[in-house]
Amino acid sequence: DAGVTQSPTHLIKTRGQHVTLRCSPISGHKSVSWYQQVLGQGPQFIFQYYEKEERGRGNFPDRFSARQFPNYSSELNVNALLLGDSALYLCASSYNRAGSDEQYFGPGTRLTVT
Amino acid sequence: ILNVEQSPQSLHVQEGDSTNFTCSFPSSNFYALHWYRWETAKSPEALFVMTLNGDEKKKGRISATLNTKEGYSYLYIKGSQPEDSATYLCASISGGYQKVTFGTGTKLQVIP
Repeated sequence: DAGVTQSPTHLIKTRGQHVTLRCSPISGHKSVSWYQQVLGQGPQFIFQYYEKEERGRGNFPDRFSARQFPNYSSELNVNALLLGDSALYLCASSYNRAGSDEQYFGPGTRLTVT
Repeated sequence: ILNVEQSPQSLHVQEGDSTNFTCSFPSSNFYALHWYRWETAKSPEALFVMTLNGDEKKKGRISATLNTKEGYSYLYIKGSQPEDSATYLCASISGGYQKVTFGTGTKLQVIP
């Protein structure tokens, strides 16, 4: 079975632009979470989606939004990009939304904002 | 404790040595504690999910304990091997997945 996949792998954008990152969970998994990881820090929780609804949100501005599709894949959108948005964006899937479920991470999307 | 803190930040041990790291987390509204291993150029890999006070989990040479009353978890590696070299992250889940907080990790290097 395929693991969690993310696209694109790398991305370079200019300040003020918009970006869309994509994530496909493991088959059968209904929950997708998004994280931002800046060098030297642990991943920061952005969103959790379960059954196409937002179930958890971290301390990120409204420029960050996401959605989950009927096939449980997910998109993370970031508007009006800032230099500080440069980071590795990780997606993780789990079977349900409980914190007692193991999460499986994708390889990440490296976003560079210039 | 308001945030998740991990210590030490980094660690160098000789092959064959046993080692342990600490994860401290807020004990209020605790739901679960996750441990991950993150090797360079790979995705974080789940090691353990712990939910009950006094929980002990083991996977091969790696084990973990949990104390939810005082808000800490220990990760132990017995007989470290070079392939154990990685960053070990813990994440505290509170409020039924309303809040997920990762520590900054402990970077382990095992010297052959």
